Amino acid sequence: AQSVTQPDIHITVSEGASLELRCNYSYGATPYLFWYVQSPGQGLQLLLKYFSGDTLVQGIKGFEAEFKRSQSSFNLRKPSVHWSDAAEYFCALKGTSGSRLTFGEGTQLTVNP
Amino acid sequence: DVKVTQSSRYLVKRTGEKVFLECVQDMDHENMFWYRQDPGLGLRLIYFSYDVKMKEKGDIPEGYSVSREKKERFSLILESASTNQTSMYLCASSPNQGSNQPQHFGDGTRLSIL
Repeated sequence: AQSVTQPDIHITVSEGASLELRCNYSYGATPYLFWYVQSPGQGLQLLLKYFSGDTLVQGIKGFEAEFKRSQSSFNLRKPSVHWSDAAEYFCALKGTSGSRLTFGEGTQLTVNP
Repeated sequence: DVKVTQSSRYLVKRTGEKVFLECVQDMDHENMFWYRQDPGLGLRLIYFSYDVKMKEKGDIPEGYSVSREKKERFSLILESASTNQTSMYLCASSPNQGSNQPQHFGDGTRLSIL
């Protein structure tokens, strides 16, 4: 069975501070991994994705994520957070066969001025 | 860019009504999905479809059905709406099964059942 865990339900950071959102997964091989962001009342927007190769992937809006096989992690980072980054963030896993995504529970990000 | 369009952003219906939620995608994707999203429960898959007229149950199909008569359109049907189906509903699409491509989401329909 595959699973995704986001240990932090809610994180608060100050504007301009760095950010790291944690994501741990369980899967028998190297999965496809994604980070999505959801602004209030909106659908999910893809931030970045990892398939293979370089373990540090760049995404939109200045986000990056690092795949660490040894730790079964795919943490999302941003060097300097903007107030507009306040949203809910979801990590998701897709197995190498099939089409379903397994989502984490989400991390709500609050940005203080 | 992939466009997934859900027909309504907000919808209010009454208990016992038959409710249709419509979703259209413009990228010729084979796969389409319906999720519901509730606070504290994350996204839960209701149904998905990997081809026209094909459907698969997700994790919470009870009380729902789906229809996919055309490749670009995937409808979610609440046969007899109940108050516990008040939720945010999200539609998504993606290319072929086994593909490493992500799912693309619509803006969601916030459904209230009174």
